[in-house]
This record gives sequence, structure tokens and C-alpha cells, in this order.
Amino acid sequence: GAGVSQSPSNKVTEKGKDVELRCDPISGHTALYWYRQSLGQGLEFLIYFQGNSAPDKSGLPSDRFSAERTGGSVSTLTIQRTQQEDSAVYLCASSFLTGTYNEQFFGPGTRLTVL
Amino acid sequence: GQNIDQPTEMTATEGAIVQINCTYQTSGFNGLFWYQQHAGEAPTFLSYNVLDGLEEKGRFSSFLSRSKGYSYLLLKELQMKDSASYLCAVRAAGNKLTFGGGTRVLVKP
Repeated sequence: GAGVSQSPSNKVTEKGKDVELRCDPISGHTALYWYRQSLGQGLEFLIYFQGNSAPDKSGLPSDRFSAERTGGSVSTLTIQRTQQEDSAVYLCASSFLTGTYNEQFFGPGTRLTVL
Repeated sequence: GQNIDQPTEMTATEGAIVQINCTYQTSGFNGLFWYQQHAGEAPTFLSYNVLDGLEEKGRFSSFLSRSKGYSYLLLKELQMKDSASYLCAVRAAGNKLTFGGGTRVLVKP
């Protein structure tokens, strides 16, 4: 079956503009996660969805960042008034919530460059 | 708070063995994951440990000691394609993963 997909794969924007990143999780996965990865760094947790609600949004860096999920499926991460420090790869992952591992499956990411 | 440490980089020779250590201090523990990430690609799941001991999967093995807050990933019979970053991640309460900075492994001929 299809894996996690994200769009766009690359996004170049000017400082101060808003951007919207999209994630399509694996069908049937209840949980969805957003992470950010700066060059050569580990993954930084941003937000986690269980169904359409977000029980943990503790990783969102500022109120310029928001995310929503609709229909228990697609999620969008919105960054308003982008800054250069927002440049990173934004990774989405999805998983089941019941089972032995509940390992997270990652999408290919969106590389965001803020000029 | 959550703190996960792993070496930044390791170099090994093709056919050899490499051990990547990971130490963690987290509030809560509900499993430790290892992921492999090739440059420019998404992380892919390698292993999961929630009980103490060794889990073996082909050339890859992962060990966990919960009392010591310690895990390692062992890669045997190294191949050139094993050159990648290896990410240690801890699941505390809930499903959120906290990742270490990753260990870049370079396999030389």
C-alpha cells in the first residue's frame, strides 16, 4: 500500500510569507506526527494528532506555527510570517495506536527554505 | 525533561562490526526505537526494545538496559549501503518520540 506522502517536496519562500505543508498519512493510521529536522541534526517533535485532536502540541516553536487534521486523515502544518530560522526539513509520520510496536512511518519530508 | 545522547559520527570498515551507544534520561519510558536515515531520505524503522535484553534481526541487533538508561545498536558484517545516520528515539508517555541527534556511520572499503 501507499506510504506517507508529503507535499510539496521543496518550498522556497520569502521571509514574512505564509506557507502550508501537507501530509497524507497511511490509510488507517490513527496517529499523525510532525517533526522538524535542521541540517545535520536529529528530529525535533512539533505536534501529535490522535484522530483530529492534538493532545500534544508542546513542540510548536511559536504561535506562528499551527496545524490541523481533518477527517482523521490529511494534515496541514501552517507557518505564518516565515523567518529564516524556520528553514528545515519538515517530516510527517503516522502510526497505529494499538499494537506491539506502533512504530512511526515517515514521509519523505518537505524541504523549506526561507530567503 | 528529556535528554538523549549518542555519538555524532563513527567510521568502520566494510565487513566489520560497529556498536552505536545511546544513553537517555526521560520522564517516563514506553520503548526505545532505532531508525536508519540515508542522506536526503526519510527515517526507516530498524528496531524496538521495551524490555531489557537483546533483540536480533539479521545483521542488526539492539540492546536495552532500562535501569542504566542505555541502549546500543549493533551492526554486523558492515556493507557500504549501511553508511547512513542512525537515530535513537525514546517513547515516553503517550506516543511522542524524542530523538537523539543521530550518529552518522561511514563505512569504508
